[in-house]
Amino acid sequence: IAGITQAPTSQILAAGRRMTLRCTQDMRHNAMYWYRQDLGLGLRLIHYSNTAGTTGKGEVPDGYSVSRANTDDFPLTLASAVPSQTSVYFCASSATRTVNEQFFGPGTRLTVL
Amino acid sequence: AQSVTQLDSQVPVFEEAPVELRCNYSSSVSVYLFWYVQYPNQGLQLLLKYLSGSTLVKGINGFEAEFNKSQTSFHLRKPSVHISDTAEYFCAVTSNSGGSNYKLTFGKGTLLTVNP
Repeated sequence: IAGITQAPTSQILAAGRRMTLRCTQDMRHNAMYWYRQDLGLGLRLIHYSNTAGTTGKGEVPDGYSVSRANTDDFPLTLASAVPSQTSVYFCASSATRTVNEQFFGPGTRLTVL
Repeated sequence: AQSVTQLDSQVPVFEEAPVELRCNYSSSVSVYLFWYVQYPNQGLQLLLKYLSGSTLVKGINGFEAEFNKSQTSFHLRKPSVHISDTAEYFCAVTSNSGGSNYKLTFGKGTLLTVNP
């Protein structure tokens, strides 16, 4: 069982370029999340999805978009990357019928130059 | 709205010493509390959680935490740490605000460094 996979592991990107970070889970969890982790700021929620076909904005959604076409996949897109989006991005998932822990992927380290 | 404050950004300790990592939260409704650990260059994994019942919860790797409602705290403790406990630790809170999704709010993290 893989749990949650993220791709790529790391990426260096020129400012202004479009980039999609991929996230796939095999636990059949309804809810999925995208966080960014920055030094001294902890993890901040970018977007989330309660179930396939629905998405919602988190704490820092500007400059990012998501889609949830099916249960397993939750891609995060930066339409036009800026240097302030340099960060480590984590995808997570959880079951939603009860309060359950969130399971995290290994992360994507993104550098925007 | 809910928030989490981790009072120490860094905690250095010697091997086999006890440690306490402090966490305070604020919320207007009943809360559920979590501690996660992040080892270098890895994702987060759950150490322990408080949902209801006994206020002392035990987790993996010998860690435990006590929920104190009157002090709005959920401090993490371990009686004797090992070098392998060196990691960043995150406290997180969520609540049942009426929806079916329990979004987590994380603290800024505490870096625990265990020295020989």
